[in-house]
Amino acid sequence: DIQMTQSPSSLSASVGDRVTITCRASQRITMYLNWYQQKPGKAPKLLIYTASSLQSGVPSRFSGSGSGTDFTLTISSLQSEDLATYYCQQSYDSPLTFGGGTKVEIK
Amino acid sequence: QVQLQESGPGLVKPSQTLSLTCSVSGDSISSGSFYWSWIRQPAGKGLEWIGRIYSSGSTNYNPSLERRVTISVDTSKNQFSLNLSSVTAADTAVYYCARHYYDVNNYFDYWGQGTLVTVSS
Repeated sequence: DIQMTQSPSSLSASVGDRVTITCRASQRITMYLNWYQQKPGKAPKLLIYTASSLQSGVPSRFSGSGSGTDFTLTISSLQSEDLATYYCQQSYDSPLTFGGGTKVEIK
Repeated sequence: QVQLQESGPGLVKPSQTLSLTCSVSGDSISSGSFYWSWIRQPAGKGLEWIGRIYSSGSTNYNPSLERRVTISVDTSKNQFSLNLSSVTAADTAVYYCARHYYDVNNYFDYWGQGTLVTVSS
């Protein structure tokens, strides 16, 4: 199985801050990396697919980058509604696997 | 708008079989470029992909659960189902069904709201 490791596991930032979350795959996955946002008590929501493509309807403050084994999700200006846990997921090979999540809190 | 809705018992006894159904609306489960997946999340923990099915009935399972999992599809009802046998407390989780777009890109683009299944006697 491809292991996905996210860091940090949690962070606290102020509204307006730039936030960066990283995800590392245990082997090369080219660009097959997706990012999801999960708000408390809700299902995950797709933010970014294939490393850097913004899902329709997702605010442009969210962006993704990376390839190979190292990927980044950036929130350019954190908003209060971005309080959530963020997960990366590799779609390169079965079984599909997720990172452990990064919980984003607002200071 | 595509919608998915999980249904099934919220409480299952140890050693029994967990059975859930996902009803799909707003899209035909037989339409191309989509698999239909089950994903679970124990309380306070991360996401685990269980397996997926194509409208033809072709399946892929997570090897960690493969011995106990069966996913089936009923195209006439626009539904797909999960059976997980010999459950233990470790199978207690919120279970999600999701549409898996599968083409040049592949990702889970629509999710059900999730249903909590507790394994307890």
